[in-house]
Amino acid sequence: EPEVTQTPSHQVTQMGQEVILRCVPISNHLYFYWYRQILGQKVEFLVSFYNNEISEKSEIFDDQFSVERPDGSNFTLKIRSTKLEDSAMYFCASSSPTSGRSFIDNEQFFGPGTRLTVL
Amino acid sequence: GESVGLHLPTLSVQEGDNSIINCAYSNSASDYFIWYKQESGKGPQFIIDIRSNMDKRQGQRVTVLLNKTVKHLSLQIAATQPGDSAVYFCAEIIEAAGNKLTFGGGTRVLVKP
Repeated sequence: EPEVTQTPSHQVTQMGQEVILRCVPISNHLYFYWYRQILGQKVEFLVSFYNNEISEKSEIFDDQFSVERPDGSNFTLKIRSTKLEDSAMYFCASSSPTSGRSFIDNEQFFGPGTRLTVL
Repeated sequence: GESVGLHLPTLSVQEGDNSIINCAYSNSASDYFIWYKQESGKGPQFIIDIRSNMDKRQGQRVTVLLNKTVKHLSLQIAATQPGDSAVYFCAEIIEAAGNKLTFGGGTRVLVKP
């Protein structure tokens, strides 16, 4: 079964450093998302991406964050200057309007996440 | 159930018994509600969803109930198995607000053999 993959599984960085989190969405999907989950808390939406541009972003997704689809397979999240409070699990998700399992036109499939630790 | 920091509500259930997980929501504009399962070290996995104009939907061993009057959503798992041990999240989608998922707090389900 196709799945979303993410690398690395765990990233440790120093405060102020730049990090790039990588995702390979399911190959025929058109919509891409990043979410984060601070330890023990709920999953929070960061950004959605479609047709090579951001379609929606949350208040969390400030100027420190950027997303890119540099080629036909990868979807990346860059944090320019990491802060301690950026430590979290970051989940990538992808969707396509052809999933038949749900009522929702775009069921989102999640990757396993990257744990980011900012020291 | 809402989570606060590290203190997730926990439901302990005997293997073979039924589980009921609850979720309260506040936005009456929600169009869809979805239940996700998150196992340790993994991302959320879709379980079942329901449209806001429905009261009940059944899947394989799972049933979701929606009570719009009191803004309450529940997930019932029949004959709970050890593989059902996970954190369960409810989420909502408001179509007018795009396709983003807004997650509620989680409930940890522990299945005792």
